[in-house]
Amino acid sequence: GIQVEQSPPDLILQEGANSTLRCNFSDSVNNLQWFHQNPWGQLINLFYIPSGTKQNGRLSATTVATERYSLLYISSSQTTDSGVYFCAVYSNDYKLSFGAGTTVTVRA
Amino acid sequence: DAGITQSPRHKVTETGTPVTLRCHQTENHRYMYWYRQDPGHGLRLIHYSYGVKDTDKGEVSDGYSVSRSKTEDFLLTLESATSSQTSVYFCATRQGAQGEQFFGPGTRLTVL
Repeated sequence: GIQVEQSPPDLILQEGANSTLRCNFSDSVNNLQWFHQNPWGQLINLFYIPSGTKQNGRLSATTVATERYSLLYISSSQTTDSGVYFCAVYSNDYKLSFGAGTTVTVRA
Repeated sequence: DAGITQSPRHKVTETGTPVTLRCHQTENHRYMYWYRQDPGHGLRLIHYSYGVKDTDKGEVSDGYSVSRSKTEDFLLTLESATSSQTSVYFCATRQGAQGEQFFGPGTRLTVL
């Protein structure tokens, strides 16, 4: 199956800082999603982004499918941004393969 | 999200007992999925369904079975629970072959 690698594995930020999370995948994909798992365990959809750039408030994402990576940008981070960010990709059989996640801690 | 509920939300059981987890959705989505989440592994697909009575295996299907008799319900059964099946189980749905997946709140299962 497709291998999905996320970096960095852990990230500690001061409130107000900006950051970039990276997702590399090993093969061509049909689509890609970014999720945020909050400290209560809930998985929240952030972006559904096969290619190009999308923005949602302080978050944005860019996927370059031809080069097999996606980036998630967090600007002006807040403590509520803490949690685990997952990248997941859709292979040709429409199943999702997840990366191991990036754990983000935002300190006040 | 897609109006997904899971029951029970927490369960503690003993090794060797059967366990059934239920996923219920109200959005009439065709595709439904069961994942497990363990530290260091992200989420891994157990089984999925692409329609009523149509199911297939994921990457970690050993020890699990599923059934889907109605569009809205997808059941995950552990025939004889083992301690290695202690995990958090998530259900997800997707409207069609394209489109994003939405996740339920999860069920925390502990097998003693």
